[in-house]
Amino acid sequence: AQSVAQPEDQVNVAEGNPLTVKCTYSVSGNPYLFWYVQYPNRGLQFLLKYITGDNLVKGSYGFEAEFNKSQTSFHLKKPSALVSDSALYFCAVRPRNYGQNFVFGPGTRLSVLP
Amino acid sequence: GAGVSQSPSNKVTEKGKDVELRCDPISGHTALYWYRQSLGQGLEFLIYFQGNSAPDKSGLPSDRFSAERTGGSVSTLTIQRTQQEDSAVYLCASSKNREPTYEQYFGPGTRLTVT
Repeated sequence: AQSVAQPEDQVNVAEGNPLTVKCTYSVSGNPYLFWYVQYPNRGLQFLLKYITGDNLVKGSYGFEAEFNKSQTSFHLKKPSALVSDSALYFCAVRPRNYGQNFVFGPGTRLSVLP
Repeated sequence: GAGVSQSPSNKVTEKGKDVELRCDPISGHTALYWYRQSLGQGLEFLIYFQGNSAPDKSGLPSDRFSAERTGGSVSTLTIQRTQQEDSAVYLCASSKNREPTYEQYFGPGTRLTVT
């Protein structure tokens, strides 16, 4: 069965420190990979995606993610966290075959402490 | 341009009543998805429409739930004989579903409260 794991329910980091939110997946083939963010009382917003090419992709708000094929991971990173980054983060994958559905991870709540 | 819109934004209903939730996807997006999210939790997939293909209904939790998509655009999610456990935020998303733009765009959600 296809699945996405976000092993940490909660990540706490001090403002100005680097942050990492982890994502691993078990999906056949080389899926497309995505990160979404949900700020309090807001809808989900697209952050970044990996389709092909460079393993390091850059997205909105200074976030980046690194695709690692051998580890089937797509960890989200930011060099210097802001308090305003505090939100719920979702990793998602989509198999490459036409018409395939997305699989979302359970989410990781990031708290950036001032 | 206009994003995904959903209506109503909030719905309070009595147990046993039927409700209809509406989603207007982004124009030109062929794929449409419905999810359910309980209080700050993860996303529960409900149903997925892709063009004229038969929808993927594998996530619908019971036969009280149904959805349709008319003319490849607007979608309605119907919950019959609502129960208290149906209380949640119902999210709709759409996507172009073709390379390289597979990402989904989400609406603001409909908060359903069943009393």
